[in-house]
Amino acid sequence: NAGVTQTPKFRVLKTGQSMTLLCAQDMNHEYMYWYRQDPGMGLRLIHYSVGEGTTAKGEVPDGYNVSRLKKQNFLLGLESAAPSQTSVYFCASRQLAAANTGELFFGEGSRLTVL
Amino acid sequence: RKEVEQDPGPFNVPEGATVAFNCTYSNSASQSFFWYRQDCRKEPKLLMSVYSSGNEDGRFTAQLNRASQYISLLIRDSKLSDSATYLCVPDSGGYQKVTFGTGTKLQVIP
Repeated sequence: NAGVTQTPKFRVLKTGQSMTLLCAQDMNHEYMYWYRQDPGMGLRLIHYSVGEGTTAKGEVPDGYNVSRLKKQNFLLGLESAAPSQTSVYFCASRQLAAANTGELFFGEGSRLTVL
Repeated sequence: RKEVEQDPGPFNVPEGATVAFNCTYSNSASQSFFWYRQDCRKEPKLLMSVYSSGNEDGRFTAQLNRASQYISLLIRDSKLSDSATYLCVPDSGGYQKVTFGTGTKLQVIP
């Protein structure tokens, strides 16, 4: 089972460049999330989606855009990368509100460096 | 006020010791919780779920204290491989957002 797959796993950008991170899940989950994690810190929610065609802002949305054109994919875009966006990005997904569990399933992370 | 608060640690304990961390939560309506484990530079993975009063899985015991609004994680007979950051997360259930606290870092020393 693939679960949640993130691409690319590593990327180095120059300030001002743009890029897109792709998150794909094969579990038919409704909810998908993008987090960033800086060294020694916790996960901070960037954006999330509760279904195909819908997105919402999280705790730290500035500088990022997202799209959920297909249920299985959640894209995170950086239009003009800044050094402050150097971080590890994690994607996660979970089922629509279930009776038993709201467990999050994570991808392995994408390590982004902005020079 | 953050949804969950955890002591970031680090908790440095010798092998074989018993260690416990607490996680306080602000939403009194939270019914259940998850403990995730995150190894350095890796993604979080589910350790255990906490429903009703608690849960036990081998050396790990989680308890929920609704009156004081905290959950605890107890690790007995600590192993070097237990070294990680432990994250407490309320079961979002019908709520859409899922946010994390800082987690508690555990370092088990030989």
